[in-house]
Amino acid sequence: DGGITQSPKYLFRKEGQNVTLSCEQNLNHDAMYWYRQDPGQGLRLIYYSQIVNDFQKGDIAEGYSVSREKKESFPLTVTSAQKNPTAFYLCASSLQGAPGANVLTFGAGSRLTVL
Amino acid sequence: DAKTTQPNSMESNEEEPVHLPCNHSTISGTDYIHWYRQLPSQGPEYVIHGLTSNVNNRMASLAIAEDRKSSTLILHRATLRDAAVYYCILRDRRDAGNMLTFGGGTRLMVKP
Repeated sequence: DGGITQSPKYLFRKEGQNVTLSCEQNLNHDAMYWYRQDPGQGLRLIYYSQIVNDFQKGDIAEGYSVSREKKESFPLTVTSAQKNPTAFYLCASSLQGAPGANVLTFGAGSRLTVL
Repeated sequence: DAKTTQPNSMESNEEEPVHLPCNHSTISGTDYIHWYRQLPSQGPEYVIHGLTSNVNNRMASLAIAEDRKSSTLILHRATLRDAAVYYCILRDRRDAGNMLTFGGGTRLMVKP
């Protein structure tokens, strides 16, 4: 079945360490997105990519970095510059052709805890 | 960007219909209305979307006001598995880069 795979599901990190969250999709979707969710809150956009080798900052990009070397993959690195990285991270993807109508497909999420 | 307003929480009894409202008074003519829901500790899942006309699918119905400034997600018979946070968001059909900010949504509680 097609879908989005995020790994790891749970991750613990010490302060000052960078960590990379994986996101892979086999839906042949062009666009991919990273969101952050804090407890009891909605989702906030970190980065998005509409095409390979191109990506744009979302609302809260500071302290994060991404790459899009392959259509299927959109890894997110949480750097030591992110002051409060403990959160639930969600990856999503969508088709590109008709943006307004295209729906987002989400992964199961990665929960990052900074010790 | 056009924004949406939803009640923080709602309660329903099992097997009764549920009407979840969403206000989007600044909606533009090119905005689609999307609904997603999120179960605890899971990623959101798509429920339904529409532009102007009411829409039905196997999960729910979407009723869109004539002026498009509000919409209502209708669950015809709530089950315990429908307890989730429901998000109403707008997505501009012209621009995939107009990205979706999910507000706090409505937490639906279903009582047996």
